[in-house]
Amino acid sequence: EVQLVESGGDLVMPGGSLRLSCAGSGFIFSNAWMSWVRQAPGKGLEWVGRIKSKPAGGTIDYAAPVKGRFSISRDDSENTLYLQMNSLKIEDTAVYYCASGDGFDIWGQGTMVTVSS
Amino acid sequence: QSVLTQPPSASGTPGQRVTISCSGSSSNIGSNDVYWHQQLPGTAPKVLIYRKNQRPSGVPDRFSGSKSGTSASLAISGLRSEDEADYYCAAWDDSLSGYVFGTGTKVTVL
Repeated sequence: EVQLVESGGDLVMPGGSLRLSCAGSGFIFSNAWMSWVRQAPGKGLEWVGRIKSKPAGGTIDYAAPVKGRFSISRDDSENTLYLQMNSLKIEDTAVYYCASGDGFDIWGQGTMVTVSS
Repeated sequence: QSVLTQPPSASGTPGQRVTISCSGSSSNIGSNDVYWHQQLPGTAPKVLIYRKNQRPSGVPDRFSGSKSGTSASLAISGLRSEDEADYYCAAWDDSLSGYVFGTGTKVTVL
């Protein structure tokens, strides 16, 4: 079964850091372009960033609101995608989804990040 | 912020056809593929339409996508109660070097 499973969501104070993980299975993870997408409570979807597969160059792109604070990486030997989030703000509170493919073919179930004092 | 504009809501009775529009620009819809996603209440999104208006296996042919210039549309024919959900369009934006999502449309089956 093709599957993505996120983990690592938590309650964190403003200015804090958190690392999310996304484990893939049932497909060739190393060939997949992977993205992070978030959804604030009661709001729409917002793209966070993407990392291409290594065969495609491994390029990483970020959305403007997170550039310089968030970092995406991947460990193809572990079939895992990561999102390192630093200098967290209240407005980063959201469910964070990982998704594979250039059209978000497969989505994980999401993990909740709450930034609050 | 969303750069793809969708109507906030759409509705229809069972069996009717509903169309959702997605308006963008030359840097996104005008030059790249459009993807449509369905988000049922309390669940993760799921892709409905991808790569040149194709449907993944398991998505009924009641769902179809089209594109003209800088706008795209999702049509749902033979509307069913289980189609009640939020629908989002998405596309790569060459100017922003990132993906952009639509504002989302809530479909209600009357």
